[in-house]
Amino acid sequence: SAVISQKPSRDICQRGTSLTIQCQVDSQVTMMFWYRQQPGQSLTLIATANQGSEATYESGFVIDKFPISRPNLTFSTLTVSNMSPEDSSIYLCSVTQTSGTDTQYFGPGTRLTVL
Amino acid sequence: DAKTTQPPSMDCAEGRAANLPCNHSTISGNEYVYWYRQIHSQGPQYIIHGLKNNETNEMASLIITEDRKSSTLILPHATLRDTAVYYCIVNRGSSNTGKLIFGQGTTLQVKP
Repeated sequence: SAVISQKPSRDICQRGTSLTIQCQVDSQVTMMFWYRQQPGQSLTLIATANQGSEATYESGFVIDKFPISRPNLTFSTLTVSNMSPEDSSIYLCSVTQTSGTDTQYFGPGTRLTVL
Repeated sequence: DAKTTQPPSMDCAEGRAANLPCNHSTISGNEYVYWYRQIHSQGPQYIIHGLKNNETNEMASLIITEDRKSSTLILPHATLRDTAVYYCIVNRGSSNTGKLIFGQGTTLQVKP
């Protein structure tokens, strides 16, 4: 399976600021996704990162709050904008590979704390 | 995508088989059953998936009932490192929109 890395692994941020999370894959992948896991909760899909076009957002998530880029087949970023303590979560990227399987593989996650 | 129902928690003795059940009574014919686990807030780890036949890999076995309305994940010899939250997810596979819907999963505690 693909090796997925995320930067930063964790961060503590101040209210009102923004943080950009990077997701890097060691091989070309078909699809890239961003999930959020709030404390004590399960994972929720934020959006699908589309190469060269705007991301597809799930209900309850908007581009102004979570802008996403995907400039190529191995890299994507998620920005959490104008943060509040409610944004404290683990943010995870996942990918499906071009090898034919639709299995999703997840990165290690970015643990964000907003003060 | 169909919803799944899992028990919130289970215990298992180290070295014994762990059998984790999942109900997916509204599954449709083109939906696969996927299992992931998440160890202590790490990224979810893919375990196994299947359509209607039983599947086995180096990590686990997946038993799917003939009517496909339920399945069981079997960890044949559980170790302490298998303590995790296990998620059963139904997804459309090759026509996948990418939307994995995670429920609350089963917290498996492996005890010495």
